[in-house]
Amino acid sequence: DTEVTQTPKHLVMGMTNKKSLKCEQHMGHRAMYWYKQKAKKPPELMFVYSYEKLSINESVPSRFSPECPNSSLLNLHLHALQPEDSALYLCASSQEFRALGNEQFFGPGTRLTVL
Amino acid sequence: QKEVEQDPGPLSVPEGAIVSLNCTYSNSAFQYFMWYRQYSRKGPELLMYTYSSGNKEDGRFTAQVDKSSKYISLFIRDSQPSDSATYLCAAESGTYKYIFGTGTRLKVLA
Repeated sequence: DTEVTQTPKHLVMGMTNKKSLKCEQHMGHRAMYWYKQKAKKPPELMFVYSYEKLSINESVPSRFSPECPNSSLLNLHLHALQPEDSALYLCASSQEFRALGNEQFFGPGTRLTVL
Repeated sequence: QKEVEQDPGPLSVPEGAIVSLNCTYSNSAFQYFMWYRQYSRKGPELLMYTYSSGNKEDGRFTAQVDKSSKYISLFIRDSQPSDSATYLCAAESGTYKYIFGTGTRLKVLA
């Protein structure tokens, strides 16, 4: 099973709302990633978790707050977002972090619209 | 100069054609190269994952890496309308980061 699942598929929120995106994988992967993708652009890395610890934060604004409750789950908590944060948010996982030959498998994404 | 360059297209071909998608890169430290297919409003799907120079074949897809010229290619044989998507190349050097090209939009016309 090489599947990464994400919920919800679509999310519309106001600038004062608090919401969360969820990601799950059951491949036994120890590295999980959050990416943001704007239309007609490649994915941009936001965060990396390795063995449930935050390893990389690519200078992401604090209105995005990641959480890794266990080795299979990854959340992204959203608060006080701006309209320019509207994008496709992608979760990915790989066997290990910082190891050559690590294939990253992506989920289907959550399409977020901030009004 | 971007580390990975990719023509954004769109590239339109008739059904059954051989498609050639290409990327160039500038960082000699890149060792692994990936091709992802992304349908509109979906997540990227890993198609091919190659190491070092040479060819790798999987069904109708062939990935080619030429490290001497820093050039990577994906060939699609007998292209189908269902192959219409954006194709992203990516490279990694053993750090944590995939470096993506901008993606090439492919349209296969029935």
